[in-house]
Amino acid sequence: EPEVTQTPSHQVTQMGQEVILRCVPISNHLYFYWYRQILGQKVEFLVSFYNNEISEKSEIFDDQFSVERPDGSNFTLKIRSTKLEDSAMYFCASSESSLNNEQFFGPGTRLTVL
Amino acid sequence: AQSVTQLGSHVSVSEGALVLLRCNYSSSVPPYLFWYVQYPNQGLQLLLKYTTGATLVKGINGFEAEFKKSETSFHLTKPSAHMSDAAEYFCAVSGGFKTIFGAGTRLFVKA
Repeated sequence: EPEVTQTPSHQVTQMGQEVILRCVPISNHLYFYWYRQILGQKVEFLVSFYNNEISEKSEIFDDQFSVERPDGSNFTLKIRSTKLEDSAMYFCASSESSLNNEQFFGPGTRLTVL
Repeated sequence: AQSVTQLGSHVSVSEGALVLLRCNYSSSVPPYLFWYVQYPNQGLQLLLKYTTGATLVKGINGFEAEFKKSETSFHLTKPSAHMSDAAEYFCAVSGGFKTIFGAGTRLFVKA
């Protein structure tokens, strides 16, 4: 069964450093998303992406964040200058359409900012 | 705007007992509603979803949920809890390009 994959599973970085989190969505899906979950808290929407542009973003997704689909398979989230409060689990998701919006989630990348 | 409220951050049941996890939603458009389960240190797995049609939705692992528009609710139930059901459960509502999650309910199952 096709699934969303994410790499790395765990990333440790120093405050101020740039990180890139990678995702491979399900191959026939057209809509891509990033969410984050701070430890012990709820899952929060960051951004959605369709047709090579951002469809919607939350107030969390400020200028420090960017997304890209550099090739036909990868979908990346870049954090330009990490802060301590960026430490969280980041989930990528993809969906075939936005109509019923059943999103398939990856296993997540745990980002730890020291 | 859409929102989800899950009543009870923790629910504890005995093995074999009924599981009831409560979810109320707010949506300005006909909602699409979901329940996800998250096991420790894992991603989110879809349990079931309501889009249109039958209001009683059956999902995986014996779970089901009923969409009640008049009560703006989408409660999750399972007739008999199993130890393996212990996890965090998230109710979610979607519309457009994003999904809004509730705060989650952690289910504990006692032997």
